[in-house]
Amino acid sequence: DIQMTQSPSSLSASVGDRVTITCRASQGIGNYLAWYQQKPGKVPKLLIYIASALESGVPSRFSGSGSGTEFTLTISSLQPEDVATYYCQKSNSAPNTFGQGTRLEIK
Amino acid sequence: EVQLVESGGGLVQPGGSLRLSCAASGFTFSSYAMSWVRQAPGQGLEWVSGISGSGGSKFYADSVKGRFTISRDNSKNTLNLQMNSLRAEDTAVYYCAKDHSSTYYPTCMDVWGKGTTVTVSS
Repeated sequence: DIQMTQSPSSLSASVGDRVTITCRASQGIGNYLAWYQQKPGKVPKLLIYIASALESGVPSRFSGSGSGTEFTLTISSLQPEDVATYYCQKSNSAPNTFGQGTRLEIK
Repeated sequence: EVQLVESGGGLVQPGGSLRLSCAASGFTFSSYAMSWVRQAPGQGLEWVSGISGSGGSKFYADSVKGRFTISRDNSKNTLNLQMNSLRAEDTAVYYCAKDHSSTYYPTCMDVWGKGTTVTVSS
């Protein structure tokens, strides 16, 4: 099965910073990659699908890019409400494995 | 409003069984693949199982293959997960989730239930 690896595992940044999270697949998955945000005590929320498509209602400061085996989630200007754990997920074929998560905190 | 409501969680002994259900509303249930995703205490998300809209194709993570069975009743807008031979490592919050697009097989999920807690312990 294809493994998904995120880096870093945790990240601390200041309000207004540009933040980038990376997700690598052990084999090529085309552009079949989704990103989720999970705030503490809350249900996961879909942010990005097909690597770069922004889900309806998600702020435009979130963006996704990449294809094949390397993908990135970028927050252009970090806001306090972005404190959360972020997960990537392959979506090309089952099993639709998640990355281990990246915990984002405000410095 | 699109809504998913899980039920059936609880405390079960190792080796025991449990059946989770998810009641769906607000969308054409049979048009969407559905998935179960779990989250162990303090841990990340783990995709567990998925099923096509018709119910004809089923998919499982290696960690549950042969022990868990996913099913759906499109006449009742219900998704189920039969869990047998439960282990301590199956302890988690189990989420029911709707696929983002009406593709045949599970892809990514845009609507999630609030989850139901399964605890496997003696």
